Amino acid sequence: KQEVTQIPAALSVPEGENLVLNCSFTDSAIYNLQWFRQDPGKGLTSLLLIQSSQREQTSGRLNASLDKSSGRSTLYIAASQPGDSATYLCAVSGNFNKFYFGSGTKLNVKP
Amino acid sequence: ETGVTQTPRHLVMGMTNKKSLKCEQHLGHNAMYWYKQSAKKPLELMFVYNFKEQTENNSVPSRFSPECPNSSHLFLHLHTLQPEDSALYLCASSQVGTVTLPGNTIYFGEGSWLTVV
Repeated sequence: KQEVTQIPAALSVPEGENLVLNCSFTDSAIYNLQWFRQDPGKGLTSLLLIQSSQREQTSGRLNASLDKSSGRSTLYIAASQPGDSATYLCAVSGNFNKFYFGSGTKLNVKP
Repeated sequence: ETGVTQTPRHLVMGMTNKKSLKCEQHLGHNAMYWYKQSAKKPLELMFVYNFKEQTENNSVPSRFSPECPNSSHLFLHLHTLQPEDSALYLCASSQVGTVTLPGNTIYFGEGSWLTVV
């Protein structure tokens, strides 16, 4: 069974720092990997989607990489801002419409 | 208008009440999901519907009863719940993949906060 792990569970950084969030998965037979953002008490908002054939995706200050063979993905956030404070989740998709989620990394960016 | 809409956003119910959560997706997807998110726990998949047919029930107690009348609507009927069922219930949708076109993005609603008293 696919297992997704996110490290660290929580992270606190001063504003302006560049940071990296990690996601690992046990079964490399995935179709794609998604990074989500969740604000307290809200639903999940998709940030980036990387297809299994791709190595990375970029959106603004966010860059996500995927190394399928080693079962790893990273989300790089450049020049962090207090508005980036949220929980970040990664999810991998398996056969057809099965999605497996990590427990998330709770990020706090201090002004 | 958001892609996946959930109502109500907040619900307080007693243990003997019967209530329902509603989800509607406007994305033309053919798969819909219910997830439960409790404090400090990862997302738990509850039910999956593909083309209106239930394809997964993740050992969910019978006091939770899903209904999918069509590909755009999903309900979660609640009865005789327990306080430990208090959580954020998230609905999601996606397009069912095929061998040549694997499934892609999953979209979530804003969730329904349920408090059982």
